[in-house]
Amino acid sequence: GDSVTQMEGPVTLSEEAFLTINCTYTATGYPSLFWYVQYPGEGLQLLLKATKADDKGSNKGFEATYRKETTSFHLEKGSVQVSDSAVYFCALSLGTNAGKSTFGDGTTLTVKP
Amino acid sequence: GAVVSQHPSRVICKSGTSVKIECRSLDFQATTMFWYRQFPKQSLMLMATSNEGSKATYEQGVEKDKFLINHASLTLSTLTVTSAHPEDSSFYICSARDLTGGSYEQYFGPGTRLTVT
Repeated sequence: GDSVTQMEGPVTLSEEAFLTINCTYTATGYPSLFWYVQYPGEGLQLLLKATKADDKGSNKGFEATYRKETTSFHLEKGSVQVSDSAVYFCALSLGTNAGKSTFGDGTTLTVKP
Repeated sequence: GAVVSQHPSRVICKSGTSVKIECRSLDFQATTMFWYRQFPKQSLMLMATSNEGSKATYEQGVEKDKFLINHASLTLSTLTVTSAHPEDSSFYICSARDLTGGSYEQYFGPGTRLTVT
């Protein structure tokens, strides 16, 4: 079946450090890929997405590139801020299966000043 | 962008009572909505897919008689937790698909924190 594997957390960084959260996937078809962010006590917000190979999604300084050859969608940010502290979920969605999404387990990021 | 709301945001109920949670797509029509459950420090677990005008599709292991889902309009789906027990306490999140753009993007509600005492 479809699955998403994320780098285990928690991840603790100092402000302005470089962030990478690894995400790999397996899928029976050609998925769209997403990164969602969840702040404490809230629902999920879409951070960025990519719908085909070599697409780069970007938002708020975060980037991720859809790598079909390595089935990866790693999240990066060059300089993190305290306000980036949250849980990050990698997810895929296919046109089949009524568009259900498959989520990774989430990675908790804490940024210290 | 597309907005999904949930009501209530928090609810406390006594064991044995039923609780209804609403999920609304505010500025788009959603033929399909999803209901998730999230335990502390864990990922989202899909409970069911809610289809407008038809029966919901439940994931394996989810009791359909306990978690009643109704999707009576293109902008509203409801989840009713019947005869709630403390083990039903959780964070319930809904999402709705926006069919435009072909990316199968889901928009998530802010979640409902259910506590059963």
